[in-house]
Amino acid sequence: EIVLTQSPGTLSLSPGERATLSCRASQSVSSTYLAWYQQIPGQAPRLLIYGASNRATGIPDRFSGRGSGTDFTLTISRLEPEDFAVYYCQQYGSSPLTFGPGTKVDIK
Amino acid sequence: QVQLVESGGGVVQPGRSLRLSCAASGFTFSSYGMHWVRQAPGKGLEWVALIWFHGRDTYFPDSVKGRFTISRDNSRNTMYLQMNSLRAEDTAVYYCARDAGAGYLAGFQDYWGQGTLVAVSS
Repeated sequence: EIVLTQSPGTLSLSPGERATLSCRASQSVSSTYLAWYQQIPGQAPRLLIYGASNRATGIPDRFSGRGSGTDFTLTISRLEPEDFAVYYCQQYGSSPLTFGPGTKVDIK
Repeated sequence: QVQLVESGGGVVQPGRSLRLSCAASGFTFSSYGMHWVRQAPGKGLEWVALIWFHGRDTYFPDSVKGRFTISRDNSRNTMYLQMNSLRAEDTAVYYCARDAGAGYLAGFQDYWGQGTLVAVSS
């Protein structure tokens, strides 16, 4: 099973600042099968990024993803008020599909 | 628009069974694989089941293998999760989610329902 570790656990930033979230895998994620989801409290997760760097439909271009192998990054270039949420990475290259524990982005 | 609506959650005693349903609309249900993902209170996401679009192949993590089964009725645009021998640690919000691949398995989920709460307690 591929274990995903996300850092930091919590990121305290102000609107307009840049957020950089990390996701590290215990073994290489095949073919960059890595996705990112956003979850606002009380809501279902929303797909942001798939294939490590492809934005999902309707996702603003301030969200970007990169990485390969075991190290992946989600960047939010300028935080908007609606971006304060929990972000999860997920690998879907091998079974079982696994999620990271999440990074909470909160308002400083 | 794509809609996924879960139902069937509730309070159940340890060792008992429960069946969840996921009603889909707004897309060609029979062309997409479907997942169940759960979230324990205050915790992260855990994938619990996958069924291919044709229904012939299913996958589970070890935590639920042998206790949970997943099925679908493409004529009713509905997916099910049968949960047997429930444990306290199965307490969670259960989300149904669509696999992003049409006619193939992408592995990630592009649409999610709002979830249904399952509480296992005596």
